Amino acid sequence: GAGVSQSPRYKVAKRGQDVALRCDPISGHVSLFWYQQALGQGPEFLTYFQNEAQLDKSGLPSDRFFAERPEGSVSTLKIQRTQQEDSAVYLCASSLGRRFGTGELFFGEGSRLTVL
Amino acid sequence: GESVGLHLPTLSVQEGDNSIINCAYSNSASDYFIWYKQESGKGPQFIIDIRSNMDKRQGQRVTVLLNKTVKHLSLQIAATQPGDSAVYFCADLSNTGNQFYFGTGTSLTVIP
Repeated sequence: GAGVSQSPRYKVAKRGQDVALRCDPISGHVSLFWYQQALGQGPEFLTYFQNEAQLDKSGLPSDRFFAERPEGSVSTLKIQRTQQEDSAVYLCASSLGRRFGTGELFFGEGSRLTVL
Repeated sequence: GESVGLHLPTLSVQEGDNSIINCAYSNSASDYFIWYKQESGKGPQFIIDIRSNMDKRQGQRVTVLLNKTVKHLSLQIAATQPGDSAVYFCADLSNTGNQFYFGTGTSLTVIP
């Protein structure tokens, strides 16, 4: 596609529900990232994929958070048993190469999750 | 640990004036920096980047200055326009090269 596409744009969940957020990166982009952005804050790293391999998941806040990219393109971020503190915008970004400095991250518009 | 911070959380400028947004970083090993612009309800958008072997880089109406001695980064926007109103983030590349660390952001408001 022309850009990084995320769905849903808005998600309201009751506390304890599971949610799944989808990211369609730019076609051919090798690297894919998930970031969490709380209101009034900068994005915080969650996890990084190079093709289908999850090379860094150090930013995932708990074992309730799980991300996958099984075929090296579309990625899903799953949050189990959602809590109110999970309320945030979840940003997906992709990059053409494996190494940075060769191009910037292209961000999607984000999925805004509100947990009641 | 890593920290990338901004000196001022908000900045208001008159249309047509120049804007300067500052950023401090803590990791002396950071070697790649990016400025992003984020409009309300949208994802961050790349503005300009700079490597640590440079101290200045210019783009269209924007200039990034890097002072490695004091670990300071600035974004200068010339002839600021209403469309420049947004939150601006600086980000630096971690040692592992896997993730960018973002600052809190500076909210720029352009007064017509």
